Amino acid sequence: SQTIHQWPATLVQPVGSPLSLECTVEGTSNPNLYWYRQAAGRGLQLLFYSVGIGQISSEVPQNLSASRPQDRQFILSSKKLLLSDSGFYLCAWSVPPGQGPTYEQYFGPGTRLTVT
Amino acid sequence: QKEVEQDPGPLSVPEGAIVSLNCTYSNSAFQYFMWYRQYSRKGPELLMYTYSSGNKEDGRFTAQVDKSSKYISLFIRDSQPSDSATYLCAMRLGNFNKFYFGSGTKLNVKP
Repeated sequence: SQTIHQWPATLVQPVGSPLSLECTVEGTSNPNLYWYRQAAGRGLQLLFYSVGIGQISSEVPQNLSASRPQDRQFILSSKKLLLSDSGFYLCAWSVPPGQGPTYEQYFGPGTRLTVT
Repeated sequence: QKEVEQDPGPLSVPEGAIVSLNCTYSNSAFQYFMWYRQYSRKGPELLMYTYSSGNKEDGRFTAQVDKSSKYISLFIRDSQPSDSATYLCAMRLGNFNKFYFGSGTKLNVKP
């Protein structure tokens, strides 16, 4: 079965510090990978998605970046955090179109980031 | 205009009530319609999906899609306190990689 891991679960960082959040998926190959941010009481904002190693699509211009160094690894980074970067960060994966059910997206447990 | 609109609530109902959750959307090309349930401080989990128009029932849950009105609904019968969560609607174009989410409706079922 497939499993998605995210770490850390909770993070408190000062403004201006760097950020690295990691997500890994087990039990599937060549998944689509996604990073979302969820502000308190808000919906899911798509930040980045990736259809393959080194292929990143950015949805929202901001001081965050994403990388996919391996097939099942997705990293969210920032060089200098802003207060507005606080939120609940969720990694997700889905089967690419044409390779299986296209309605399912599987989410990780999330990382709660507080920028102080 | 947002692609998907959802009333954020919160919605508070007594145990046993019928709950209706709704979303509207603007892109008539959406083909897959999903409902996710998210408990506090957890990642969302898929609850139900519907392809194109029509109804789908799963136990106490019914998902309904009206493509002519660009309107989807989730009905919960005999609501339970364990149904208390945030419910997010989501949509996907047929062969595209992106999912479009509503902002979520927070539901509280009181014992």
